[in-house]
Amino acid sequence: NAGVTQTPKFRILKIGQSMTLQCTQDMNHNYMYWYRQDPGMGLKLIYYSVGAGITDKGEVPNGYNVSRSTTEDFPLRLELAAPSQTSVYFCASSYGLPKGSKRANTEAFFGQGTRLTVV
Amino acid sequence: DAKTTQPNSMESNEEEPVHLPCNHSTISGTDYIHWYRQLPSQGPEYVIHGLTSNVNNRMASLAIAEDRKSSTLILHRATLRDAAVYYCILPRNDMRFGAGTRLTVKP
Repeated sequence: NAGVTQTPKFRILKIGQSMTLQCTQDMNHNYMYWYRQDPGMGLKLIYYSVGAGITDKGEVPNGYNVSRSTTEDFPLRLELAAPSQTSVYFCASSYGLPKGSKRANTEAFFGQGTRLTVV
Repeated sequence: DAKTTQPNSMESNEEEPVHLPCNHSTISGTDYIHWYRQLPSQGPEYVIHGLTSNVNNRMASLAIAEDRKSSTLILHRATLRDAAVYYCILPRNDMRFGAGTRLTVKP
């Protein structure tokens, strides 16, 4: 059982380049999330998705885009990379009941992270 | 997410119990309380969650105040491996983390 898989594990980008961070989960979870974590800091939510075809902005969405065409995959796109996007990126997934119901989210599972450096 | 407040850091001695507090005074009736921890250089991992009653699992116990405005994560016998940042969150559709509590365990 793979859980949440992120690729690549490491990447160095030049300023202005673009790339896609891949995230896939095999647990049939409807909720997926992208976070960034700067050194010594907590996790900041970039985007999240409550199901295929639905995405919403988190706390720090500027400079990023996402799509959710399938339940399994939730890629994060960086356009025009900037040094401020140097960070460790984590993807996570969980199962959540619909909004408005008495939610009992299951535990969230996290990937091992992608360490991105923009130079 | 509703806001949670945790101490920035705590210290414990190895093999002693640790009580990690969390305040969540704006919690709603349907908010579950989740705890995660992040070991050095790893992604966060789930620890425990609950709604109203105290909860136990193999990793920890969660004690929830009667008014639900606070909770405490209890590690019954801290080990060096428990040194991590512990996050208390109230996930809704999004799942936002604060700064957490950095737990140091001394041998």
